[in-house]
Amino acid sequence: GENVEQHPSTLSVQEGDSAVIKCTYSDSASNYFPWYKQELGKRPQLIIDIRSNVGEKKDQRIAVTLNKTAKHFSLHITETQPEDSAVYFCAARGSARQLTFGSGTQLTVLP
Amino acid sequence: KAGVTQTPRYLIKTRGQQVTLSCSPISGHRSVSWYQQTPGQGLQFLFEYFSETQRNKGNFPGRFSGRQFSNSRSEMNVSTLELGDSALYLCASSRLAGASVPETQYFGPGTRLLVL
Repeated sequence: GENVEQHPSTLSVQEGDSAVIKCTYSDSASNYFPWYKQELGKRPQLIIDIRSNVGEKKDQRIAVTLNKTAKHFSLHITETQPEDSAVYFCAARGSARQLTFGSGTQLTVLP
Repeated sequence: KAGVTQTPRYLIKTRGQQVTLSCSPISGHRSVSWYQQTPGQGLQFLFEYFSETQRNKGNFPGRFSGRQFSNSRSEMNVSTLELGDSALYLCASSRLAGASVPETQYFGPGTRLLVL
């Protein structure tokens, strides 16, 4: 089945700096890659997603890039703010048509 | 639109008991997926229901089961609880299931289960 690896597991950045989280997937048939943000004690919330026919997608300070050949995708957050501090999960939807999640990245934005 | 809701929010059970969790999807959403979230294993897929039928199943033992009603509300049941079943159980809804164009999944707040 699908396997999704996510790095790093923890990431600390200074406020205003950029943060990058990377994920790799195993199923070459994967066609959908969402990113979720989960604050402590709250539900995961979709922040951005990308489909396999697109290489990059941006939404204000957040962008996701997808390299289908290398089977990896990345989340980029620019001008980080303290409220960006949370756990971020990547996921991939493969041939089994179910979401497989990465292990999560704890992002801390230091003021 | 109201979001995905789950009840109860917290549960404490003892080993050997069984538990039933409920999930109400966003109005108009017909697919409900269930996930188990633990610190060690992360978010793991349990199963997905669409139109009252299980469409997909993850790698969990048969003690974990679910069903979906005609109004799209879903329940999951865990029988013979074990200590390792302590987790946050999340459900997520989407409009369709298994579509060639993937649908966004929206999560509920989860049910936190503690097995003593």
